[in-house]
Amino acid sequence: SQQGEEDPQALSIQEGENATMNCSYKTSINNLQWYRQNSGRGLVHLILIRSNEREKHSGRLRVTLDTSKKSSSLLITASRAADTASYFCATEGMNRDDKIIFGKGTRLHILP
Amino acid sequence: EPEVTQTPSHQVTQMGQEVILRCVPISNHLYFYWYRQILGQKVEFLVSFYNNEISEKSEIFDDQFSVERPDGSNFTLKIRSTKLEDSAMYFCAGHLGPGGGYTFGSGTRLTVV
Repeated sequence: SQQGEEDPQALSIQEGENATMNCSYKTSINNLQWYRQNSGRGLVHLILIRSNEREKHSGRLRVTLDTSKKSSSLLITASRAADTASYFCATEGMNRDDKIIFGKGTRLHILP
Repeated sequence: EPEVTQTPSHQVTQMGQEVILRCVPISNHLYFYWYRQILGQKVEFLVSFYNNEISEKSEIFDDQFSVERPDGSNFTLKIRSTKLEDSAMYFCAGHLGPGGGYTFGSGTRLTVV
């Protein structure tokens, strides 16, 4: 299975601090994506990093990918209360019409 | 920004009844998916749909499930005889092609009683 697995399962930090979430996967991938989900709501695509990329930025988000270790990290800098959500990594396999497979997610709670 | 629209947002049904969950994907997307998320658990792949046919389905997607894109726009998931364990959020998603991010709908919360 190409399944991603995030750690930690839950993370609580003070507002203003940086939050780092990690994801590991098992098989070769075409790309890895991070999604956010507010409680009981839909999934919002945050950022995609391709297998030939090592780092990508989008606003306060920084994603790294290490294909040799089959791992990725999502860093949210200067966290805000509104960042409270669950964050999922999802990997897309190498086949042309491969679906994405989600990990179990990290529940992030930003304390005011 | 284009959106994937799902209806209804919440559906309650009796065990054994048939339900149809509806999705209107983004018009220029080519690949379509249904995922589900049982409360508090991870998002699970159900089925992918490309070129008007199923391209892949998971072991969850058994004979009681079916998908259709009857009119070239709406994309439906039918559950023929619902079970209690079908209670979950069902998400429709689409994308242009491999290597692109997926756009998810806001989901249908299905409650089977």
